Amino acid sequence: RKEVEQDPGPFNVPEGATVAFNCTYSNSASQSFFWYRQDCRKEPKLLMSVYSSGNEDGRFTAQLNRASQYISLLIRDSKLSDSATYLCAVNMGRLYFGRGTQLTVWP
Amino acid sequence: DAGVTQSPTHLIKTRGQQVTLRCSPKSGHDTVSWYQQALGQGPQFIFQYYEEEERQRGNFPDRFSGHQFPNYSSELNVNALLLGDSALYLCASSLDRGRRDQPQHFGDGTRLSIL
Repeated sequence: RKEVEQDPGPFNVPEGATVAFNCTYSNSASQSFFWYRQDCRKEPKLLMSVYSSGNEDGRFTAQLNRASQYISLLIRDSKLSDSATYLCAVNMGRLYFGRGTQLTVWP
Repeated sequence: DAGVTQSPTHLIKTRGQQVTLRCSPKSGHDTVSWYQQALGQGPQFIFQYYEEEERQRGNFPDRFSGHQFPNYSSELNVNALLLGDSALYLCASSLDRGRRDQPQHFGDGTRLSIL
């Protein structure tokens, strides 16, 4: 089993839609969790850290479920500019990345 | 405040050659990690440097080696290049202070193509 599993999608949604991505991780002792956004042929950019109590940054909400060992990212009111690949990353002594979920928002 | 910078941006090599990639961390950061990202995959951890020593290593052969300098900049060296080494090589830095759980910030990457 891979350390971090992520549905690669693709997800194709209209503008204004709400979309959610999940990642599961294998090590219950994982220390910290992150979501990154990666545009085509660019580097990953840190979108947000994920905290145990859940956290929100504008239209983006991240949640952590330690009991079930998954993290999620919810994007509300999708914009065309949200089109990208979203990578989850889990720190188990070092960062393990999922393979990324591709999101396309269409007009 | 400069972010993570990598050089070169693109590189073309042939099988069997050797390559050196360079990385300057974000100002104030002390830890540098290197990743390999193949098309359609997430970044795969190669190794991490802290206090000029390799602190952790991923599942990569000894052909992959690195170095961290006193100014925290780092190099990734790959010997005896194979076609399968073609990928985007990413450097990421963080300010760990020994904690190892801080978010990492990536450079633009070096796109390496092996012919």
